[in-house]
Amino acid sequence: QLQVQESGPGLIKPSETLSLTCTVSGGSISSNSDDWGWIRQPPGKGLEWIASLYHDGNTYYSASLKSRVIISVDTSKSQFSLNLSSVTAADTAVYYCTTRLGQISSWGQGTLVTVSS
Amino acid sequence: DIQLTQSPSFLSASIGDRVTITCRASQGIHVYLAWYQQKPGKAPKLLIYSASTLHSGVPSRFSGSGSGTEFTLTISSLQPEDFATYYCQQLNYYPLTFGQGTRLEIK
Repeated sequence: QLQVQESGPGLIKPSETLSLTCTVSGGSISSNSDDWGWIRQPPGKGLEWIASLYHDGNTYYSASLKSRVIISVDTSKSQFSLNLSSVTAADTAVYYCTTRLGQISSWGQGTLVTVSS
Repeated sequence: DIQLTQSPSFLSASIGDRVTITCRASQGIHVYLAWYQQKPGKAPKLLIYSASTLHSGVPSRFSGSGSGTEFTLTISSLQPEDFATYYCQQLNYYPLTFGQGTRLEIK
């Protein structure tokens, strides 16, 4: 089972673009994953799926975030990324990256991103 | 989008109790459902996948059942470390939606 770890800025200003990277270890990112995804959790709230990139190249986005989100993968670096543009305070959350093989998902420990001026 | 509704949203129980949490899907998702346990400040931990398969290392007091639109997570005898929030997630269709969570507290 792969291990994943998020990295990115802990603090970002309103209207900027949030860029997060997930580094995958413990095996081949290509052959040990069906999809790569991002999930977030605002403080004190539930889990919200953001986006997934399937191994066939298809991308899937939350309807509420679709206009602002891009997910991409760089298999040569064993990394995948999330870009979220025009952030507001409502985007403050812990962001988790996940990889999924079949029905088993591996999660990172999460990274807190605060949107504040 | 598939909506997942968990019940109850809050549950108060005692050590040794048997508890059941239900997750209902707005349309059929076969057995493509996972259950997670989350403790404060920690990432969700996978307990059950494919509706009823216990993930590696998860105690056998946890069990899952169901298919189609109705699923349950059962803890046969609550232990102190089980007090946490539990989420279901469907993996049949994108978007991969979650239930709203069930908070399990000590009575």
